[in-house]
Amino acid sequence: DARVTQTPRHKVTEMGQEVTMRCQPILGHNTVFWYRQTMMQGLELLAYFRNRAPLDDSGMPKDRFSAEMPDATLATLKIQPSEPRDSAVYFCASGLARGGRETQYFGPGTRLLVL
Amino acid sequence: TQLLEQSPQFLSIQEGENLTVYCNSSSVFSSLQWYRQEPGEGPVLLVTVVTGGEVKKLKRLTFQFGDARKDSSLHITAAQPGDTGLYLCAGRGGSNYKLTFGKGTLLTVNP
Repeated sequence: DARVTQTPRHKVTEMGQEVTMRCQPILGHNTVFWYRQTMMQGLELLAYFRNRAPLDDSGMPKDRFSAEMPDATLATLKIQPSEPRDSAVYFCASGLARGGRETQYFGPGTRLLVL
Repeated sequence: TQLLEQSPQFLSIQEGENLTVYCNSSSVFSSLQWYRQEPGEGPVLLVTVVTGGEVKKLKRLTFQFGDARKDSSLHITAAQPGDTGLYLCAGRGGSNYKLTFGKGTLLTVNP
């Protein structure tokens, strides 16, 4: 049963520290999404990759957030420096783009708390 | 900006009751999806509706897409404790990849 995996599952850090979240997409999928979920805003798209290329990062605060795909099996989301308002659950999802209407498969999320 | 509003935000019912939750927008969507999210997990896709007026059934769950493709509803018959979770609707607009999510309806079914 193929699943998206995310590490760490939980992270508590202090303001100003760097945070790195990792995602392993489902083998064979060619798209990766990063989302942030909060009670106030719900699920927000931060970044979108297709075939490892970043196609949309318009939802990401550019000054402190960065997303990369070093290879097809790893996607990373970094926050530097972290701030308390970054506290949220961060989800990675992967899919197979085939002319649109792809299904996104979500990982279990990384719950981040910035003190 | 396309927005999806879900109602109610919270719903607590007894096992065996029926319920309907709603997803509304002023925008037209090419398709609409419903997800269920359990505590500590990511959303899981339940269904995708594409055609205006379309009705899809998944066991005790019935999903309907509005004729104008601006709204949708999810009806659960004889709810069970296993139906407990956050129900999210998500609309796909012009782009093929971008989904706009509502904030969800948190359903609790008490035994």
